[in-house]
Amino acid sequence: NAGVTQTPKFQVLKTGQSMTLQCAQDMNHEYMSWYRQDPGMGLRLIHYSVGAGITDQGEVPNGYNVSRSTTEDFPLRLLSAAPSQTSVYFCASHQGRNEQYFGPGTRLTVT
Amino acid sequence: SQKIEQNSEALNIQEGKTATLTCNYTNYSPAYLQWYRQDPGRGPVFLLLIRENEKEKRKERLKVTFDTTLKQSLFHITASQPADSATYLCALDRQDTGRRALTFGSGTRLQVQP
Repeated sequence: NAGVTQTPKFQVLKTGQSMTLQCAQDMNHEYMSWYRQDPGMGLRLIHYSVGAGITDQGEVPNGYNVSRSTTEDFPLRLLSAAPSQTSVYFCASHQGRNEQYFGPGTRLTVT
Repeated sequence: SQKIEQNSEALNIQEGKTATLTCNYTNYSPAYLQWYRQDPGRGPVFLLLIRENEKEKRKERLKVTFDTTLKQSLFHITASQPADSATYLCALDRQDTGRRALTFGSGTRLQVQP
């Protein structure tokens, strides 16, 4: 099993550009989440999904869109990148109220 | 406001000693609490989960306590080793939000000196 995979590992965007961060899991987990991690602020929940076709907002959803058309994939879209979205993005999956499995992260810089 | 607090200052200890990390939370409903380890440039890795009706959980050199009255969890690493150096995150799986996602503290960096 590959677990949770994320692409790309690094990305530099200019302000106003859009892009999609990819996330996939091969554990057949029901739940998937996107977090961002900024220095001194820990991980903050952006969006999450409780199954294919069902998504909901987390603490910091503004500027991001998600969709979940399959159990395996949970892409995160930045609609119009802003410098405030410079961060490290982690995708995670889990089943029920069990441990979460995290991907390796995507380091995004917006100039 | 609702908050999870971990000591933001790094914890430096000597090899072989017991490291104790603290996680305090306010205004959350008691729920599951989880501890994760994060190494630089990598995603968090799960260590232990403790439920609200459990007082203590152990796994090898790791021990977690959960006091819902004090709203506090303690995370202990006994016989610490330099390889234990990392950032440790606590996270709550909160019943009150209805979300099956975690709310994280900002983490405490542990440095074990040889």
